Amino acid sequence: KAGVTQTPRYLIKTRGQQVTLSCSPISGHRSVSWYQQTPGQGLQFLFEYFSETQRNKGNFPGRFSGRQFSNSRSEMNVSTLELGDSALYLCASSSGFGTGGYGDTQYFGPGTRLTVL
Amino acid sequence: SQELEQSPQSLIVQEGKNLTINCTSSKTLYGLYWYKQKYGEGLIFLMMLQKGGEEKSHEKITAKLDEKKQQSSLHITASQPSHAGIYLCGAAPEGGSNYKLTFGKGTLLTVNP
Repeated sequence: KAGVTQTPRYLIKTRGQQVTLSCSPISGHRSVSWYQQTPGQGLQFLFEYFSETQRNKGNFPGRFSGRQFSNSRSEMNVSTLELGDSALYLCASSSGFGTGGYGDTQYFGPGTRLTVL
Repeated sequence: SQELEQSPQSLIVQEGKNLTINCTSSKTLYGLYWYKQKYGEGLIFLMMLQKGGEEKSHEKITAKLDEKKQQSSLHITASQPSHAGIYLCGAAPEGGSNYKLTFGKGTLLTVNP
């Protein structure tokens, strides 16, 4: 089975611009979660989509948004970029049918490295 | 909110040595994930521990979950250069979703040949 793919792998943007990142989950998986990783804050949860609906949300401003398509592929959008948005953005794929316990595992993609100048 | 503290923050060992990484939670642990990350890359799933006292092994890596101590440990036996990387523990918030994981800051492991 192919793993989680993310495109693009690297991006350079300037402040004020907007950016869209893409994530294709493992075939058959219906949940996609997004995380931001920075040296200072570590890995932080952004949001999770399941069957085209946002099911969980982290504590990020509204500039960060996402969506999921019927084929489970997901996109994340960041508007009005700030220098502090420079980070590695990771998406994780899982079946989506965990019961709130630990019956499900998130498999991560290679990430998109976003640099904001 | 739940916090996960990993220790040590970094570790340098000689090839062939054993080592242990700890992950301590500020709240009750109902389960825990261990991942490995090469710098600047994605996370590789290692193990998931679901019950107190559970212990799992894969090749030379063993992980245990101690519910009472709200702690998990990851032990590597006879370390190899291929074990080098950043080890991260992750857990779901109490009563929260399995898909909204909190992670520790990571332990950077260097294995010298």
